Amino acid sequence: SAVISQKPSRDICQRGTSLTIQCQVDSQVTMMFWYRQQPGQSLTLIATANQGSEATYESGFVIDKFPISRPNLTFSTLTVSNMSPEDSSIYLCSVEGQWDTEAFFGQGTRLTVV
Amino acid sequence: GENVEQHPSTLSVQEGDSAVIKCTYSDSASNYFPWYKQELGKGPQLIIDIRSNVGEKKDQRIAVTLNKTAKHFSLHITETQPEDSAVYFCAASRMRGSQGNLIFGKGTKLSVKP
Repeated sequence: SAVISQKPSRDICQRGTSLTIQCQVDSQVTMMFWYRQQPGQSLTLIATANQGSEATYESGFVIDKFPISRPNLTFSTLTVSNMSPEDSSIYLCSVEGQWDTEAFFGQGTRLTVV
Repeated sequence: GENVEQHPSTLSVQEGDSAVIKCTYSDSASNYFPWYKQELGKGPQLIIDIRSNVGEKKDQRIAVTLNKTAKHFSLHITETQPEDSAVYFCAASRMRGSQGNLIFGKGTKLSVKP
């Protein structure tokens, strides 16, 4: 299985600021995804990070708020922009293996906005 | 829209008993159904999955069944142990051929009492 490293693991941020979360995979993967898990809730897909092109956002999520980069097949970033307390969540990176088997998750970034 | 319903939301069993968690999905195009276990402070861990061309899959104490006609799938854990205590999420693929673009159920908090 792919080993996924997310940084930072947690952060406390002031409202109005932005935070960039990094996701590094130890092998090349075809698909990378970003999910949000609000406190005590389920996981919701924010967007699919496409290598070399703009991310594909799900309903309710927009690029201005959650810009995503994916410069290569092993790395992606998610930025949470102009944060408010409602953005306090766990943000999770997920990858789909090169052989289209299953999807794995990173440990997540626990974000608190004050 | 697409939806995955999961029941029960909480489940308490005695060590050694069996636990069953049930999910239903709405999108007929879904063809991949993973189950994830999430322990406190950690990212979701894939424990078993099933594809739409299979009715049942087993891995040691864990089994998953799928009824495509009824759009139901279930997780069965036998001989439960205290270390099985966690939140379990079912999910269904939102795109045919994708294992990472998922819609999740709301989760079941399983407690196994020694």
